[in-house]
Amino acid sequence: DIQMTQSPSSLAASIGDTITITCRASQDIDVYLNWYQQKPGKAPKLLVYYASTLANGVSSRFSGSGSGTEFTLTINSLQLEDFATYSCQQSYSIQWTFGRGTRVEVK
Amino acid sequence: EVHLVESGGGLVQPGGSLRLSCAVSGFTFRNYWMHWVRQVPGEGLVWVSRINGDETSTSYADSVKGRFTISRDNTKNMLFLQMNSLTAEDTAVYYCVRDDTYPDYWGQGTLVTVSS
Repeated sequence: DIQMTQSPSSLAASIGDTITITCRASQDIDVYLNWYQQKPGKAPKLLVYYASTLANGVSSRFSGSGSGTEFTLTINSLQLEDFATYSCQQSYSIQWTFGRGTRVEVK
Repeated sequence: EVHLVESGGGLVQPGGSLRLSCAVSGFTFRNYWMHWVRQVPGEGLVWVSRINGDETSTSYADSVKGRFTISRDNTKNMLFLQMNSLTAEDTAVYYCVRDDTYPDYWGQGTLVTVSS
């Protein structure tokens, strides 16, 4: 299985901050890396697919980059509604694997 | 508009069985691979199983292989997950997910609790 290592596991930030979350794959996954936002009791919401393509309706404050084994999700000008858990996921393999998530909390 | 609605979750005793369903609408169901993903509350997401559009190919996570069976009915736009020999480790919210070479639409999830 392809292992996805996400960091940090949590971070505290203030409204207006820019934050970056990193995801590393245990092998080359090209650009088959997706990012999700999840709020308590809700299903994951797709933010970015193919490493850098913004999903429909997602704010341009979100951006993704990377290829191969190292990827980042950046959120500019953090807003109140952005405090949530963010997860990466590889779809290179039929057997998807996910990062353990990054919880973004209010400082 | 794409919709995926899971049902069939609930409380079941260890060793028991449960069949989850996912009703889909808003897209041509047979054209898409579909997956089940689960999540223990407060923990990360874990892939469970997937099926291709014409039901000729299925895959399972090692943790459920031999106990779970994924299937679909393209005439009724339904996805299923038959879960047998359930253990406490299967307790989770189960999501059905559409695969457009990336997981783009998720259902709201159905909670399965395995407990005596």
